[in-house]
Amino acid sequence: DAKTTQPNSMESNEEEPVHLPCNHSTISGTDYIHWYRQLPSQGPEYVIHGLTSNVNNRMASLAIAEDRKSSTLILHRATLRDAAVYYCILRDVGITSGTYKYIFGTGTRLKVLA
Amino acid sequence: KAGVTQTPRYLIKTRGQQVTLSCSPISGHRSVSWYQQTPGQGLQFLFEYFSETQRNKGNFPGRFSGRQFSNSRSEMNVSTLELGDSALYLCASSEPNNSPLHFGNGTRLTVT
Repeated sequence: DAKTTQPNSMESNEEEPVHLPCNHSTISGTDYIHWYRQLPSQGPEYVIHGLTSNVNNRMASLAIAEDRKSSTLILHRATLRDAAVYYCILRDVGITSGTYKYIFGTGTRLKVLA
Repeated sequence: KAGVTQTPRYLIKTRGQQVTLSCSPISGHRSVSWYQQTPGQGLQFLFEYFSETQRNKGNFPGRFSGRQFSNSRSEMNVSTLELGDSALYLCASSEPNNSPLHFGNGTRLTVT
């Protein structure tokens, strides 16, 4: 099974961009890269996902390396409300079974400084 | 739409007992998956159900089981509870294929 690795923690100043890295060197061609974040006492919240091309939405951008062995979640202007644990997840569509596997990274705790 | 609802929010059980947790997905979502979250192991996938069938299972012992009903509501059961089963149990629902997961706020289980 593919695994992801993320730094345990990162800090950012408010209003500055944040780049959260994720390594997934054993990613397969059918794995989508998803990002979720979890605030204290809440379940994870979807942020963004992609397969090969970079993706943008109102919350963030996802930059995927050309070899797909790493990706970066970009928060363009960090706010105090962005302080959370960010998870990089691979969602694999099994070629033979058609079933999904959900493989979580360790998560990065983002601290935003006022 | 109402979000994913998990009940109960908190639960305290003793070793050897069994427990059943409930999850009501977002209306229209037929896929429900379960996760265990602990400080030491992080988020770990338990199993996924789609249209009342278990489609995938994580690496957990047989004491962990689940089911899904025709209205997509799901339950998970843990038998012969151990201290190490203390955790936050999260449920997520989604539309088919590669749609985002929508998580509930979890059930915090404490085993004493």
